[in-house]
Amino acid sequence: DGGITQSPKYLFRKEGQNVTLSCEQNLNHDAMYWYRQDPGQGLRLIYYSQIVNDFQKGDIAEGYSVSREKKESFPLTVTSAQKNPTAFYLCASSITGVEETQYFGPGTRLLVL
Amino acid sequence: AQSVTQLDSQVPVFEEAPVELRCNYSSSVSVYLFWYVQYPNQGLQLLLKYLSGSTLVKGINGFEAEFNKSQTSFHLRKPSVHISDTAEYFCAVSEWGSQGNLIFGKGTKLSVKP
Repeated sequence: DGGITQSPKYLFRKEGQNVTLSCEQNLNHDAMYWYRQDPGQGLRLIYYSQIVNDFQKGDIAEGYSVSREKKESFPLTVTSAQKNPTAFYLCASSITGVEETQYFGPGTRLLVL
Repeated sequence: AQSVTQLDSQVPVFEEAPVELRCNYSSSVSVYLFWYVQYPNQGLQLLLKYLSGSTLVKGINGFEAEFNKSQTSFHLRKPSVHISDTAEYFCAVSEWGSQGNLIFGKGTKLSVKP
């Protein structure tokens, strides 16, 4: 089945630690996105990538980093510079184009110990 | 800058009653409009989208939405809701000529009671 997988489902971070969230898709989509979801805040864009080896900052990129070395993979690293990382993180992918539907993964919930 | 406003953060309704979830947007250019649904602890799933043509758009699970350009609205409706419709609903827009990024509203939690 085609789709998007995110792992782990739950992730715990200690103070000063970097953690990496995985996102993989087998839909052959060029575009991939990372969103952060906080209660009552909707979804906010962290980073996006329209093509391999290229990515752009979204609205809340500070404290996060990404890479796009393969078409099917778009990992997100939450660095120690992100002082409030507790949130639900969603990865999405789409065919390139403003009218195209974004397909979402099941999400990773990040908690701070 | 574009923005999306979902006027109700929570909407309680009884089973088999009709429901309308409101969405207004602001943009200086033409837009594409989307409604997504999120069930608890899951990702989002597309309900419907408006690209062009007829202003009444039908989606999955019996939902429909109407695009009103003069009022810059894209309200979501269902004539008779079920318990299984309990979820959070997000309105989103993307602008013509942009890189395709979606701007989301803050969501409306629909709670269907028996």
